[in-house]
Amino acid sequence: GEDVEQSLFLSVREGDSSVINCTYTDSSSTYLYWYKQEPGAGLQLLTYIFSNMDMKQDQRLTVLLNKKDKHLSLRIADTQTGDSAIYFCAESKKDDKIIFGKGTRLHILP
Amino acid sequence: NAGVTQTPKFRVLKTGQSMTLLCAQDMNHEYMYWYRQDPGMGLRLIHYSVGEGTTAKGEVPDGYNVSRLKKQNFLLGLESAAPSQTSVYFCASSYSIWQGTPGANVLTFGAGSRLTVL
Repeated sequence: GEDVEQSLFLSVREGDSSVINCTYTDSSSTYLYWYKQEPGAGLQLLTYIFSNMDMKQDQRLTVLLNKKDKHLSLRIADTQTGDSAIYFCAESKKDDKIIFGKGTRLHILP
Repeated sequence: NAGVTQTPKFRVLKTGQSMTLLCAQDMNHEYMYWYRQDPGMGLRLIHYSVGEGTTAKGEVPDGYNVSRLKKQNFLLGLESAAPSQTSVYFCASSYSIWQGTPGANVLTFGAGSRLTVL
């Protein structure tokens, strides 16, 4: 959707950190999400952040939220081959719509 | 625990034919959503429902109809299929992270239904 924008591709060497960026337009969005889609499968929730937080950490995942700039990022530490997937940013609107970006395809280099 | 089940998984239609995609969830979730996924377009919201008997339009509702007669089922209908509706369709249901907080919904997705319209 046009409300949420992400770059389409990212290549990272195994063991490095991956940073996937997202921008959104609706300043009233209360929750922002990261979902992961592996080939041939549906999406699975990775993590979410409430709009009054600026950082959330969960094992190898770190989410940073800059509400002023409407910018969300997902950092994956120590990227592994199993992290190869499409990562979707999504925003949850007050009318209960959940709008997704186009997805960033993460490619892991050996 | 089945989660979200979509039927059929694959279907080929001719232009002008009609069909219904069924989504069933066994988690007692209030909210249900239909998305379509196309290469380079991400997921786009077609219709959604915030409870039994309710439906609302998403980003790309034209050419589709939906019904939520039972809480556990959300049906997506194509009355007259067009080649532009060739896509992978995903259904999702959601629970609220914080009850009473607008927008606090975590989605559980089905495995998808691949539809080809010739």
